[in-house]
Amino acid sequence: AQSVAQPEDQVNVAEGNPLTVKCTYSVSGNPYLFWYVQYPNRGLQFLLKYITGDNLVKGSYGFEAEFNKSQTSFHLKKPSALVSDSALYFCAVRWPGGYQKVTFGTGTKLQVIP
Amino acid sequence: EPEVTQTPSHQVTQMGQEVILRCVPISNHLYFYWYRQILGQKVEFLVSFYNNEISEKSEIFDDQFSVERPDGSNFTLKIRSTKLEDSAMYFCASRDRDNEKLFFGSGTQLSVL
Repeated sequence: AQSVAQPEDQVNVAEGNPLTVKCTYSVSGNPYLFWYVQYPNRGLQFLLKYITGDNLVKGSYGFEAEFNKSQTSFHLKKPSALVSDSALYFCAVRWPGGYQKVTFGTGTKLQVIP
Repeated sequence: EPEVTQTPSHQVTQMGQEVILRCVPISNHLYFYWYRQILGQKVEFLVSFYNNEISEKSEIFDDQFSVERPDGSNFTLKIRSTKLEDSAMYFCASRDRDNEKLFFGSGTQLSVL
């Protein structure tokens, strides 16, 4: 079964420091991988995706993620955190080939400290 | 940017009652989804819908749940006999054929008393 794991419930980082939010996926073929962000009392918003090609993908608000097939990881990164980046971040996966289901991880709360 | 709209934003119901949650996906989208989130935590897949039929559903989506696209614009989730554990935030999402990006609505907070 397709799944993603987010090993950290919460990540704290000082404003201006680089941030990393971790995600790993279960191995099966070539998955599509995503990051979404959720602000309080809002729906999820798309940040970025990896389908194929360059392992480093860039997305909204200065975020990027690196696909690492050997480690089955897709960590979200940003060079310099902003207080406004504080939110709940979800990694997600979809296996193509007729499957429409997008499975989300358990979420990581990012707290950027001023 | 286009939006997915959901109504109502809050729904309170008694256990055993039927509820219908409504969604208007983005007009040219072809794939539709319902998810739920309990207490702001894990986002759980319920069902995906394409070409007027369910393409996948989770174990949560039992016989008490149904979905419908009655008129080409609305996409509804019906819970026939609500249980206390159905209390959650329910999100509708949609995407088009060529873009993997899911657009989410703002959700309906369902409270079953």
